[in-house]
Amino acid sequence: EDQVTQSPEALRLQEGESSSLNCSYTVSGLRGLFWYRQDPGKGPEFLFTLYSAGEEKEKERLKATLTKKESFLHITAPKPEDSATYLCAGIYGQNFVFGPGTRLSVLP
Amino acid sequence: DTAVSQTPKYLVTQMGNDKSIKCEQNLGHDTMYWYKQDSKKFLKIMFSYNNKELIINETVPNRFSPKSPDKAHLNLHINSLELGDSAVYFCASRRGLARNTGELFFGEGSRLTVL
Repeated sequence: EDQVTQSPEALRLQEGESSSLNCSYTVSGLRGLFWYRQDPGKGPEFLFTLYSAGEEKEKERLKATLTKKESFLHITAPKPEDSATYLCAGIYGQNFVFGPGTRLSVLP
Repeated sequence: DTAVSQTPKYLVTQMGNDKSIKCEQNLGHDTMYWYKQDSKKFLKIMFSYNNKELIINETVPNRFSPKSPDKAHLNLHINSLELGDSAVYFCASRRGLARNTGELFFGEGSRLTVL
């Protein structure tokens, strides 16, 4: 069974304190790796797509990277508005398999 | 103009009832999905349709029946509701099936509570 796991489950940061979130996935059959942000009571919102090991994508304070067996979402100098649950998903065949998410809280 | 819209947003009902959730996308996408997000926030695939044809049907009780009248709509009907069906149901769409046809676009979710 294709699996996507994420760590940590929850992360509390002070404003400005940089950190990274991890996503590990079943390597065989992976066609792409996606990062989403989900706010309470909302649907997931797309952040990044990564297709090849070594690929990096950046947007404001977020940078996503992909290696052969895991992906990282780096958050540089986070602000309270970055507080959300961050989900990663691998696409296998036509199915997006989601990880359980990392709940990020950024304290002012 | 909302890209993927679901109705209703909230649904509270008794065990044993039948209910439907509707989804529409105005993005011109070919592929649509239903996901279930349980109380632990885990998103699990239920069904997917491509151009009105069922392509993914995960291990879901047959009380759940999807219907796609056209490629812009994917509805979910649930018979004989059970307590364990309480969850948030998300509709999503994607441009197509090819590897590089982009990301999923999600609706705002429909929170179902079964009493």
